[in-house]
Amino acid sequence: NAGVTQTPKFQVLKTGQSMTLQCAQDMNHEYMSWYRQDPGMGLRLIHYSVGAGITDQGEVPNGYNVSRSTTEDFPLRLLSAAPSQTSVYFCASSYAQLVSANEQFFGPGTRLTVL
Amino acid sequence: QQQVKQSPQSLIVQKGGISIINCAYENTAFDYFPWYQQFPGKGPALLIAIRPDVSEKKEGRFTISFNKSAKQFSLHIMDSQPGDSATYFCAASRSEKLVFGKGTKLTVNP
Repeated sequence: NAGVTQTPKFQVLKTGQSMTLQCAQDMNHEYMSWYRQDPGMGLRLIHYSVGAGITDQGEVPNGYNVSRSTTEDFPLRLLSAAPSQTSVYFCASSYAQLVSANEQFFGPGTRLTVL
Repeated sequence: QQQVKQSPQSLIVQKGGISIINCAYENTAFDYFPWYQQFPGKGPALLIAIRPDVSEKKEGRFTISFNKSAKQFSLHIMDSQPGDSATYFCAASRSEKLVFGKGTKLTVNP
């Protein structure tokens, strides 16, 4: 199993550009989520999904869109990038819909810089 | 509003010493308290976790102590090793969301 994979590893955008961060898992996990990590801020939940076709907002959803058409994939879209979105983005997945029941498996991260 | 407060921000310990990281929470509905370990350039990985019906959980050199009445929990790393140098995050969850503390950067000097 590859686990949770994220692409790209690094990305530089100009303000106003759009892009999609890809996330895939091969563990047949129902729950997937996106976090951003900023220095001194810990990890903050952006969006999450408890199954295909179901998504919901986390703590910091503004400026980001998600969709979940398959169990395996959970892309994160930035429609109009802003410098405040410069961060390291982590995708995570777990077997059960309730995070309190299961370990979250994190991907290696995508480092995004918005100029 | 910060739901999980973690301290200290950074910690330097000598090899063989005890590392202690503390967390406090406000929401009494939280029912799961994991600790994650993150090495530079990597994603976080689950280290150890506890539920509020247990006061202590030990796995090897790592122990979680949980005080439900004080709404506090802590991570103790016994016999700290240079390989333990990493950033540690406490977290709390209920149902579908996991809330993280801001992290503690641990450095273990040889």
